[in-house]
Amino acid sequence: KQEVTQIPAALSVPEGENLVLNCSFTDSAIYNLQWFRQDPGKGLTSLLLIQSSQREQTSGRLNASLDKSSGRSTLYIAASQPGDSATYLCAVDQGAQKLVFGQGTRLTINP
Amino acid sequence: SAVISQKPSRDICQRGTSLTIQCQVDSQVTMMFWYRQQPGQSLTLIATANQGSEATYESGFVIDKFPISRPNLTFSTLTVSNMSPEDSSIYLCSVARTSGLYNEQFFGPGTRLTVL
Repeated sequence: KQEVTQIPAALSVPEGENLVLNCSFTDSAIYNLQWFRQDPGKGLTSLLLIQSSQREQTSGRLNASLDKSSGRSTLYIAASQPGDSATYLCAVDQGAQKLVFGQGTRLTINP
Repeated sequence: SAVISQKPSRDICQRGTSLTIQCQVDSQVTMMFWYRQQPGQSLTLIATANQGSEATYESGFVIDKFPISRPNLTFSTLTVSNMSPEDSSIYLCSVARTSGLYNEQFFGPGTRLTVL
């Protein structure tokens, strides 16, 4: 059974810092990995999707990497801003478009 | 991307009653998905809803408790039946959009359910 783990569970950093969020998964047979952002009481916003054959994807200040063989992905956020404060979730697609989610990292950027 | 709406956005219900949650998508999709997010937890897939066939439920979820309808390619409903306080959660629907060789998932805003 696929298990997805995110470390750390919570992170608080001052504005302007670069930071890395980690995601690991136990079964490397995935189709893709997706990073989401969830604001309190809201739904999920898709940030980046990495196909299983890709190593990384970039969107603005966000860069996500994938090492499928070791079961790891990282989300790098450059020059963090208070508006980046949210919970970040990673999810793996094992087929049939069914996502298995990690527990999330609750990020706080302090002005 | 996809524009997904859900109704209601939140509700407070009494135990033993049922609530039906609606999910509307801005264009036709083959599969729609229903997830549950219990307080302080991550998302868990409840079922996959295909138009014209029975929904497919994940382990731990049954049709009697979570009946699903999928009358057309842009709409689905999830009913939470005979509710108990343990059903208090955020319920989210999602759809997958194909772009090239991969499928990206998009989520609705969620329905926050509190059962007293």
